[in-house]
Amino acid sequence: DIQMTQSPSSLSASVGDRVTITCRASQTISSYLNWYQQKPGKAPKVLIYAASNLQNGVPSRFSGSGSGTDFTLTISGLQPEDFATYYCQQSYSTYTFGQGTKLEIK
Amino acid sequence: QVQLQESGPGLVKPSETLSLTCSVSGGSISVFHWSWIRQSAGKGLEWIGRISTTGSTSYNPSLKSRVTVSVDTSKNQLSLKLSSVTAADTAVYYCARDSKGLDVWGQGTTVTVSS
Repeated sequence: DIQMTQSPSSLSASVGDRVTITCRASQTISSYLNWYQQKPGKAPKVLIYAASNLQNGVPSRFSGSGSGTDFTLTISGLQPEDFATYYCQQSYSTYTFGQGTKLEIK
Repeated sequence: QVQLQESGPGLVKPSETLSLTCSVSGGSISVFHWSWIRQSAGKGLEWIGRISTTGSTSYNPSLKSRVTVSVDTSKNQLSLKLSSVTAADTAVYYCARDSKGLDVWGQGTTVTVSS
């Protein structure tokens, strides 16, 4: 199985901040990496697919980068609605998710 | 646009089989791949399995011996069967379209395993 490790597990930030969440795969997954946002009681929502492609309708303050084993999700200029939990997911082989990063208001 | 709705029993007894259906509206089930995902209370996301447009399936190795994912094209429905359930299978179960990532999700259905 491919293990996905996100860091940090939790993060406190303020509106307007720039934040970065990292995701590391236990083996190379090329660019088969997706990022999701989940708010309490709701289904996850895909933000970035194939490592760096912004899903339709997602604000441009979200961006993704990386390939191989190391990936990042960056939010430039945090908005109040961005406080949520973020997950990475590899789709290179049988899928796995990272453990999540909870982004909280400082 | 495509919408998904999970349905099935909210309570399943230990050792029995959990059976869920995902109804797809707004598009044909045949032209996309589909996945099931679950989330235990307060925990992260766990991918269960996937079915491709050709009917090929792949499963989470930790669940593979107990899981079956299938599609009924006549009803435009996706199904999940998980056998020999225990309390550890208590979770919110989601179906999702597998296209640009898992890009369309159902609202989820809560399944509790208890006698």
